Order: sequence, then C-alpha cells, then structure tokens
Amino acid sequence: DAKTTQPNSMESNEEEPVHLPCNHSTISGTDYIHWYRQLPSQGPEYVIHGLTSNVNNRMASLAIAEDRKSSTLILHRATLRDAAVYYCILRANAGGTSYGKLTFGQGTILTVHP
Amino acid sequence: GAGVSQTPSNKVTEKGKYVELRCDPISGHTALYWYRQSLGQGPEFLIYFQGTGAADDSGLPNDRFFAVRPEGSVSTLKIQRTERGDSAVYLCASSWTGTTGELFFGEGSRLTVL
Repeated sequence: DAKTTQPNSMESNEEEPVHLPCNHSTISGTDYIHWYRQLPSQGPEYVIHGLTSNVNNRMASLAIAEDRKSSTLILHRATLRDAAVYYCILRANAGGTSYGKLTFGQGTILTVHP
Repeated sequence: GAGVSQTPSNKVTEKGKYVELRCDPISGHTALYWYRQSLGQGPEFLIYFQGTGAADDSGLPNDRFFAVRPEGSVSTLKIQRTERGDSAVYLCASSWTGTTGELFFGEGSRLTVL
C-alpha cells in the first residue's frame, strides 16, 4: 500500500481555521485520498475524499496538490468537537490486493484550545 | 439506530479462552470490515467481506483468528486460545460497496485478556 506521512500532532484555537497536511509521494494514479477522524472512545468517522480536484463538503475542504503528492484537510472554523485524531489514507480504486480496504497510519492528533 | 452495532461493548476473558465478537452492519451494506486498534495506534486491518465471502483476509494475524458472515449481513469474529496480546478494541465497519464510498464504523468491542 502507498504510504502517507502526517505530523504527529497539531494545535489550534477555537473558531480559527486548521490546515492538516499529508504527504503521499508514492501515490498511484488510481488512488483516492481519504480522510477519516476518530474522536475519543469512538470508531473512525468519514470526513472527505478526493482524486484530483479540490473537494468541499459540510465538514471540511480537501485541497489536493497538482502533482497529487500531497494534500491538505481544511477545517474552516475549528470547534472543541473537532478535537480528534485525523487520518489521511490512500485507497486503491482498481485492482490489486489492497482494493477496497483502508490502511490507517498513526494520524495527526488535533488539539483545539478554547 | 441505523448505525453499525457491535456486541459486546466490553469483554474481559482469561488467557486461553475462546471469544466471539459480533457485528451488525447497516442494512443493505454489502461490504464489511474488521479492524483492531491498540492503545495509541491507528486501526489495523484484519479482514474484509464482500457479501458472504472474505475478499481479503490478509490482516488476520494467525490461525487463532477467524471471521464469518454466513448470510451476508451479521459477522462474527472468533478468537481461539486468547493471549494477552489480543487485548485491543475490535472495530467493525460496513459500506455500500467494497470499492468506493465511505466506511461506517461501529463503536468497537473492547477485549481485555487477563
């Protein structure tokens, strides 16, 4: 599976934007970039995913570099409820043994200060 | 509720005992995944079902671990001769298909082997 690299931790203040980076220099042309987050004592929760173009949904925005070797998850206004571990994952979309499954790394622990 | 349901939420057992963990996916979801998560780590993939069959069981650590999904809905993860190192949170997820779309996770079953 292609690997991703994320900072171990980041901090933010409430109501400020947060930019969570992810490097994936070995991404293949058919890999989608997925982001999940995990709140304390809960299972992971889907946030957003994309292939090449930037994506927006009600939770966040995903900015994907033109060469697709990196991406950034953007929380426009952090709240205390956004404190979680954020995982950037490459998901194979065609063929191969990793087809379908998500392979989680260590993620980024986001702390939000009031 | 309409989410993924896992039972039991907590299980304490003694070394050497047999354990079953149950996952009830979202109705209509064809894909079902099992992960386990140790403290401070990201979820580790175990097995993925597409319908009744295991599409990828490459993450099962050894032959003490086995999972079934006989009718393509409920799944059971079975662990024989439990060891202290099996202590973890076991997460189940489901999705409409196994290739695209988001995974919906349950809250997990916490297994403690004494």
